[in-house]
Amino acid sequence: DTAVSQTPKYLVTQMGNDKSIKCEQNLGHDTMYWYKQDSKKFLKIMFSYNNKELIINETVPNRFSPKSPDKAHLNLHINSLELGDSAVYFCASSLYPATGELFFGEGSRLTVL
Amino acid sequence: DAKTTQPNSMESNEEEPVHLPCNHSTISGTDYIHWYRQLPSQGPEYVIHGLTSNVNNRMASLAIAEDRKSSTLILHRATLRDAAVYYCILRASGTGTASKLTFGTGTRLQVTL
Repeated sequence: DTAVSQTPKYLVTQMGNDKSIKCEQNLGHDTMYWYKQDSKKFLKIMFSYNNKELIINETVPNRFSPKSPDKAHLNLHINSLELGDSAVYFCASSLYPATGELFFGEGSRLTVL
Repeated sequence: DAKTTQPNSMESNEEEPVHLPCNHSTISGTDYIHWYRQLPSQGPEYVIHGLTSNVNNRMASLAIAEDRKSSTLILHRATLRDAAVYYCILRASGTGTASKLTFGTGTRLQVTL
């Protein structure tokens, strides 16, 4: 069983569309994250949720809306996609919000045409 | 966030030890030193972390300078599977406080036969 799984792995779409990426973790962790890795390979945190509550919200356009229906899931919805949204998006989880290791998913590569 | 400085790239021969340096001269007393690595086309993977004392685990060893302004990740016998980007990250720690992992540019380790 994959500890942190993301779907889809690849997503190709047109500018202006709305898309979602789903993430699930089966580790029993309380905290989940979304990271974005751009074409230059910089990994930046976008959001973090702890027990379904938003605890970290970096400077991200409000076209990006995370949703955590329960502590095992953290989905990322993106409205009005732009070319600059093309990136690999990584979901991660950790047992606690401030300590311990993060477990990352394999990433979802989003390409906006 | 306190910053880290790492060499852009390093090379090693297979089955030889590798010492990956990291400078963090502005580290604060509550910052933990974390190391992650990212293999090609995968999500980051936790390697090791420490506060003041040297740490060992099945993957690597972490040597922390006495003044904590630098640290070294040691891979005892590099294999081709260790070729990855290695990130040295300072993570502020506090009970109940959301704490980010802020990735830098890392060191790209190449391992050759």
